[in-house]
Amino acid sequence: SAVISQKPSRDICQRGTSLTIQCQVDSQVTMMFWYRQQPGQSLTLIATANQGSEATYESGFVIDKFPISRPNLTFSTLTVSNMSPEDSSIYLCSARTSGYGYTFGSGTRLTVV
Amino acid sequence: DQQVKQNSPSLSVQEGRISILNCDYTNSMFDYFLWYKKYPAEGPTFLISISSIKDKNEDGRFTVFLNKSAKHLSLHIVPSQPGDSAVYFCAAREFYGGSQGNLIFGKGTKLSVKP
Repeated sequence: SAVISQKPSRDICQRGTSLTIQCQVDSQVTMMFWYRQQPGQSLTLIATANQGSEATYESGFVIDKFPISRPNLTFSTLTVSNMSPEDSSIYLCSARTSGYGYTFGSGTRLTVV
Repeated sequence: DQQVKQNSPSLSVQEGRISILNCDYTNSMFDYFLWYKKYPAEGPTFLISISSIKDKNEDGRFTVFLNKSAKHLSLHIVPSQPGDSAVYFCAAREFYGGSQGNLIFGKGTKLSVKP
């Protein structure tokens, strides 16, 4: 199955700054997903990123806050912009690597102080 | 409103015994269900899945049962091993013709297997 390399694995950031999270897949995938897991909560889908088109955002998430890039079929980035302590979460990328297979990166633990 | 619910946040089982993790869902449009296991500081890893047209899928020590009429699925681990200690997430795929097949996750159940 595919392997997804996600970085950074963790970061502590000042409020008001931005952090860009990168995910590299070792094979070409059409669809990539970005999730957020707040403490004690389930994984919540932020957006779906297809190569060559604008990302599709779920209710409650907007492009200005979470801009996403998908320059090719193996790479995507998520930026958390103008961070506040409420953005402290684990952020995960995922790719649909087969008809029913979804592979996840190892996650980015973000703490905003 | 949560579409996928895991009502037990934690479960403790003795090594060698059966672990049963439960999951309920509300959306009848879900066509595929998956279980993921997550260790601390790692991303979720795929464990086992089941299509909505089946009622059972087995893979080694892991069996998933689906009861569509009750909108309930369960994961059985037999026999349980200390290495199975992790958080288990139930996920469902929503499919509406040409939709993107997003996964909807439950909150997870933390399984502890005691030696």
